[in-house]
Amino acid sequence: DTGVSQDPRHKITKRGQNVTFRCDPISEHNRLYWYRQTLGQGPEFLTYFQNEAQLEKSRLLSDRFSAERPKGSFSTLEIQRTEQGDSAMYLCASSSQRYTEAFFGQGTRLTVV
Amino acid sequence: ILNVEQSPQSLHVQEGDSTNFTCSFPSSNFYALHWYRWETAKSPEALFVMTLNGDEKKKGRISATLNTKEGYSYLYIKGSQPEDSATYLCAHLTGANNLFFGTGTRLTVIP
Repeated sequence: DTGVSQDPRHKITKRGQNVTFRCDPISEHNRLYWYRQTLGQGPEFLTYFQNEAQLEKSRLLSDRFSAERPKGSFSTLEIQRTEQGDSAMYLCASSSQRYTEAFFGQGTRLTVV
Repeated sequence: ILNVEQSPQSLHVQEGDSTNFTCSFPSSNFYALHWYRWETAKSPEALFVMTLNGDEKKKGRISATLNTKEGYSYLYIKGSQPEDSATYLCAHLTGANNLFFGTGTRLTVIP
């Protein structure tokens, strides 16, 4: 296990379609974060899991967004009825303990046309 | 301060110059302050995790300080090199284990 992996790396979709992204964290990490990053901005917090429990979800996240981490291992982020404003880089990060750093995947770049 | 704020937004320095950036964060509900370096086409990589007021950490030419009472951290780069060009992010870890990032400082080191 060499790090956090995200799939796909790039996704182009038509407006109105649903998309799903996957994140595989470092295997022993129980904390998993999803972020959205747009040009010129820092990573914007979307949601956080500790093991399989989703403990926090950003108020900025609309009902079209949902995330799961069914067995406390990999996680999926689904966007339903995509809009052009959803175009962004979606980053996943994991960490093992409260005071340790987060390790990031390389992100999934979503383009909604 | 309700959010994590970083300044300046961008910075251009000459090779060999020393520089510093600021990160401001809510001083309440504080658990840790993270610094990351994000190079183009790569993932953010951690530089430091700081938890105690007065903490100072150093890695090579890069160092950071932390003031949790007033809610700020400084990142210093001594003798900047072109390979230091990147976006530097700070993040505030809350008691609920949420990790909130600032918008970053984009550093360009001119050879």
